[in-house]
Amino acid sequence: GAVVSQHPSRVICKSGTSVKIECRSLDFQATTMFWYRQFPKQSLMLMATSNEGSKATYEQGVEKDKFLINHASLTLSTLTVTSAHPEDSSFYICSAEFGTQVLNEQFFGPGTRLTVL
Amino acid sequence: AQSVTQLGSHVSVSEGALVLLRCNYSSSVPPYLFWYVQYPNQGLQLLLKYTSAATLVKGINGFEAEFKKSETSFHLTKPSAHMSDAAEYFCAVVTSGTYKYIFGTGTRLKVLA
Repeated sequence: GAVVSQHPSRVICKSGTSVKIECRSLDFQATTMFWYRQFPKQSLMLMATSNEGSKATYEQGVEKDKFLINHASLTLSTLTVTSAHPEDSSFYICSAEFGTQVLNEQFFGPGTRLTVL
Repeated sequence: AQSVTQLGSHVSVSEGALVLLRCNYSSSVPPYLFWYVQYPNQGLQLLLKYTSAATLVKGINGFEAEFKKSETSFHLTKPSAHMSDAAEYFCAVVTSGTYKYIFGTGTRLKVLA
């Protein structure tokens, strides 16, 4: 099956710094990539949808200036958490969509655990 | 608005016993429904999906799920649990028109020897 990687798998940073998380589709070109956030014992919450070469579409309540998404190519999307604070600590998961149908399968990355001290 | 409820955040079964993981959805229009499995330190892997075809859906690793509109349910079952089935399972709904995934809170399956 299609493989999606994320880097780094874990990151610890100080409050006020910015952190970049990469999401790559390794063996296919992804028309769309998605970023999710997962709090302990809670659902994956969709943060934003990104298409290559265009601005990301953010879900209601997600600060676009706080969570910068860049989808520079069909195999790479990045999420930058700017001026991170302890409340941004969470598990961030990306997925990549493959296919040309209206509803295509999403392939998920292994996630990145962010801890902000 | 659509939502998904997974009853039981933790389920334990003996090896060889029936696995039943519950998922109920709420949607005002016909939904697409999915079950994903997540092993430690890995991404979510699709087990099976319902997209308005047959109501009984067979997936990988011997899992299957039945879409019951009258009960708004999409429970996941496997006749005989294996140790390798121990993982976190997520139910998700996608409503036609939005094509956004809404996930349940997950159920951690433990298989006892």
